[in-house]
Amino acid sequence: DAGVIQSPRHEVTEMGQEVTLRCKPISGHNSLFWYRQTMMRGLELLIYFNNNVPIDDSGMPEDRFSAKMPNASFSTLKIQPSEPRDSAVYFCASRGQDSTDTQYFGPGTRLTVL
Amino acid sequence: TQLLEQSPQFLSIQEGENLTVYCNSSSVFSSLQWYRQEPGEGPVLLVTVVTGGEVKKLKRLTFQFGDARKDSSLHITAAQTGDTGLYLCAVNTDKLIFGTGTRLQVFP
Repeated sequence: DAGVIQSPRHEVTEMGQEVTLRCKPISGHNSLFWYRQTMMRGLELLIYFNNNVPIDDSGMPEDRFSAKMPNASFSTLKIQPSEPRDSAVYFCASRGQDSTDTQYFGPGTRLTVL
Repeated sequence: TQLLEQSPQFLSIQEGENLTVYCNSSSVFSSLQWYRQEPGEGPVLLVTVVTGGEVKKLKRLTFQFGDARKDSSLHITAAQTGDTGLYLCAVNTDKLIFGTGTRLQVFP
């Protein structure tokens, strides 16, 4: 299995631009999670989906952030417009059918907003 | 206020030394997990502890869940450079909540 795939691995953009991060979960997993990691705040959950439906988006920082999961094999996290304080590493993770199953993380996307 | 406080925040040691890192909370949990995150990668699950007082070993790593299920420790014996990374504890309440992390650097 290829594991969780994220793209791009690195993104550098200018303030005000739209940024789209992509994630392909492990085949057969029905839960998908988006996290953000910074030195100051650590690893924070932004949003998670179960069977392609958003369950908890309480971690999404503001309306500039949006996430979609149009099908079981693809999800996007969009920031529009981006700001320098959005600079962080964004991780996607997926999990199997049971809530006690292990979450598998992707390699992350390092976002730098200038 | 963080649900899970880890200490120390940073740890820098030489190969061969022993170390212990801690994960503390005022809440009681049904289980607790430990992850290791290497530079440029996502966190990887090391172990899940479930029972109060439980001890689990993974080669040179020993994990213990507190009797009251509020805290946990990770002890590494004879650290190696390959142990370098960020160690995170987490609780799984349908979604994972991570601790503040301990960043370990092992020098040759």
